[in-house]
Amino acid sequence: EAGVAQSPRYKIIEKRQSVAFWCNPISGHATLYWYQQILGQGPKLLIQFQNNGVVDDSQLPKDRFSAERLKGVDSTLKIQPAKLEDSAVYLCASSSDRGRTYEQYFGPGTRLTVT
Amino acid sequence: AQSVTQPDIHITVSEGASLELRCNYSYGATPYLFWYVQSPGQGLQLLLKYFSGDTLVQGIKGFEAEFKRSQSSFNLRKPSVHWSDAAEYFCAALTNSGYALNFGKGTSLLVTP
Repeated sequence: EAGVAQSPRYKIIEKRQSVAFWCNPISGHATLYWYQQILGQGPKLLIQFQNNGVVDDSQLPKDRFSAERLKGVDSTLKIQPAKLEDSAVYLCASSSDRGRTYEQYFGPGTRLTVT
Repeated sequence: AQSVTQPDIHITVSEGASLELRCNYSYGATPYLFWYVQSPGQGLQLLLKYFSGDTLVQGIKGFEAEFKRSQSSFNLRKPSVHWSDAAEYFCAALTNSGYALNFGKGTSLLVTP
């Protein structure tokens, strides 16, 4: 079974530029999460999708961050414009609702550096 | 507010020695609890989880964790550490809404020869 795929793995941009990250979850997983992990901290949830609907985006800075989940499968997270404090690893995770295991499977992440 | 606390930022142990990583939670009710490991350049991997029942849970790679309700703790243990265990370890709890994960800040484990 293929894992969660993310691209790109690394991205360097200047502040005020825009950037987009892509995530392909495990096949059949209805729930998809985007987490932000700042250096030295644990991951923090940005947004959670159930199929193609948003379950929780309370911690998403909506003035600059946006996310969508196309047809309930792939997802894109965008930052526009980027700030220095957005430098972090952006993790995508997915989970299956079947069996109520609540296990989340994480991708390798995208490391963003804003200069 | 719901929170997960990992009191130790860094821990150093000798190879072959025992390991205990601490985790405390602050929730109104007993949350579902998890331990994840993150190796450099890798995604997070689930080590073990606790939902209910037996308070000593076994995980992968020889890890175990013990849930103690009276101490609001869920500490991770391993009897004998291997050099390959050097990584960042995260304790997490399931949120009440939406079932996302609320992570602690992590403990960085260094294993010396």
